[in-house]
Amino acid sequence: GENVEQHPSTLSVQEGDSAVIKCTYSDSASNYFPWYKQELGKRPQLIIDIRSNVGEKKDQRIAVTLNKTAKHFSLHITETQPEDSAVYFCAASKGGATNKLIFGTGTLLAVQP
Amino acid sequence: NAGVMQNPRHLVRRRGQEARLRCSPMKGHSHVYWYRQLPEEGLKFMVYLQKENIIDESGMPKERFSAEFPKEGPSILRIQQVVRGDSAAYFCASSPPGGNYEQYFGPGTRLTVT
Repeated sequence: GENVEQHPSTLSVQEGDSAVIKCTYSDSASNYFPWYKQELGKRPQLIIDIRSNVGEKKDQRIAVTLNKTAKHFSLHITETQPEDSAVYFCAASKGGATNKLIFGTGTLLAVQP
Repeated sequence: NAGVMQNPRHLVRRRGQEARLRCSPMKGHSHVYWYRQLPEEGLKFMVYLQKENIIDESGMPKERFSAEFPKEGPSILRIQQVVRGDSAAYFCASSPPGGNYEQYFGPGTRLTVT
């Protein structure tokens, strides 16, 4: 069945360091991969996404890479700041008749000042 | 441009009562999705609706749960005869028509069953 695995479950970094979160997906038909940031008690916020026809996408300090062959995608945050502390979720979707997102289990990122 | 709206933000129900959760999509969006987030867990897909149509309900429990998105008005997720295990945050998301994938989430409804 459809499954997205996410690692690590927790990640602690020093302010200014980089953070990397990795996800793998099971359904080779998946073609859309968003990343959401969720602060405590708040809604998930879309921070970046990538489609299967692209290998890498960058937006300021955030970048996402996709390896379709390995069914693997990653979130990279550079120059981390305390306000980056949150839970990050990866997700995968096949689009088409259903756009449902299959989410990973989340990574709690703590940026230590 | 208002974002996705959900109400109520918090809902307390006793076991056996009914819960009705409402979602108004972003302006111009005609696709609505409901997800459930149990405490300390990720988001699980429940149902995908377009106006007057259920497109995918593969994540909905077989009993007590139903959803609709009428021609006029918000989408509604209805939970009948709630049990303690229904306590969770229920998030609605919307996306534009035309196969665009981005989903934007509402603030959620936190349901507590006592």
